Amino acid sequence: EPEVTQTPSHQVTQMGQEVILRCVPISNHLYFYWYRQILGQKVEFLVSFYNNEISEKSEIFDDQFSVERPDGSNFTLKIRSTKLEDSAMYFCASSETSGTNEQFFGPGTRLTVL
Amino acid sequence: GEDVEQSLFLSVREGDSSVINCTYTDSSSTYLYWYKQEPGAGLQLLTYIFSNMDMKQDQRLTVLLNKKDKHLSLRIADTQTGDSAIYFCARADTGRRALTFGSGTRLQVQP
Repeated sequence: EPEVTQTPSHQVTQMGQEVILRCVPISNHLYFYWYRQILGQKVEFLVSFYNNEISEKSEIFDDQFSVERPDGSNFTLKIRSTKLEDSAMYFCASSETSGTNEQFFGPGTRLTVL
Repeated sequence: GEDVEQSLFLSVREGDSSVINCTYTDSSSTYLYWYKQEPGAGLQLLTYIFSNMDMKQDQRLTVLLNKKDKHLSLRIADTQTGDSAIYFCARADTGRRALTFGSGTRLQVQP
């Protein structure tokens, strides 16, 4: 069964450093998403991406964040200058273009900012 | 607002039915979803319901939607120890794809 994959599973970085989180969405899906879950808090939407551009973004997704589809299979989230409060589990998801909006999630990348 | 609320914890005995509840404040939802998260894993989509439906059944899972009261529930029949996990309800505004999640209900199944 096709699934969303994410790498790395755990990333540790120093405050102020740039990180890139990688995702491989399900191959026939055209919508891609990033969510995050700070420990003990709700899963929060960051951004959605369709047709090579951002289609929606939340207030969290400020200028420190960017997304890219560098090739036909990968979808990345870059955090330019990490802050302590960026420590969270980051989930990638993908969906077809159907109206049911069924989003399939990857296993997540745990980001720890020291 | 877009608040989605759930109770934090539910404990049941193996073989019993579990009912996980969710309430939301914004009625402009087209679909509502239930996700399951096992320890150390991602979010697994269990089922969804279209907002003009009252009920949807999928094997051991039954979703009930009361639009008037903005209340969604997930019933798991014959609950098994493998059902122990955190269950999240989620919704999206009509015309949008961003999901808003509840805080999750931890289901503990006792043998």
